[in-house]
Amino acid sequence: DTGVSQNPRHKITKRGQNVTFRCDPISEHNRLYWYRQTLGQGPEFLTYFQNEAQLEKSRLLSDRFSAERPKGSFSTLEIQRTEQGDSAMYLCASSNSRGWGSGANVLTFGAGSRLTVL
Amino acid sequence: KNQVEQSPQSLIILEGKNCTLQCNYTVSPFSNLRWYKQDTGRGPVSLTIMTFSENTKSNGRYTATLDADTKQSSLHITASQLSDSASYICVVVSGTYKYIFGTGTRLKVLA
Repeated sequence: DTGVSQNPRHKITKRGQNVTFRCDPISEHNRLYWYRQTLGQGPEFLTYFQNEAQLEKSRLLSDRFSAERPKGSFSTLEIQRTEQGDSAMYLCASSNSRGWGSGANVLTFGAGSRLTVL
Repeated sequence: KNQVEQSPQSLIILEGKNCTLQCNYTVSPFSNLRWYKQDTGRGPVSLTIMTFSENTKSNGRYTATLDADTKQSSLHITASQLSDSASYICVVVSGTYKYIFGTGTRLKVLA
């Protein structure tokens, strides 16, 4: 297991096109998060899964955004009808809710998928 | 509103020097506080985790402090190296799964 894997690493698309990002978390991690990060800012929460259940979605996640984790393993984040404002780094992170205290839920991040909308 | 503020926004130091980064937070309920290092174009990597009862924790040349009364944390880097150049992000965990991120401090270490 080499950590959290995200694909593609970079995506350039024209406004109005759809894009999909994939995240493969650490295999034993039951929690998966999606964040968006723009230059000079910290990551902003988008959505969170525990196993296959999507338990929370941010208001940032407009109806053009959808995330799935069908079998509780990998996840996809789809953006429909992309806009220039969607240009950002999309980070996936996973954690294991099992275990003790602060040692549990240590977020491990992927390298991110950078989206550029022209 | 849950907020995490960091200062300074950016910092330039010479190799070998020490530096301290600050984090103030207003987050409730508080579970723990974490410092992450993020290299350019990469995802954040965890440096340290502080619980409510911990005042100081070290990880190599990194020492984090937490004052839960004043809701402040600091990250001290000793004998800086060029590889320390990165963004350092303070994260406060609220409840069991909410992570509130600061905007980070961008550190540049010069030779």
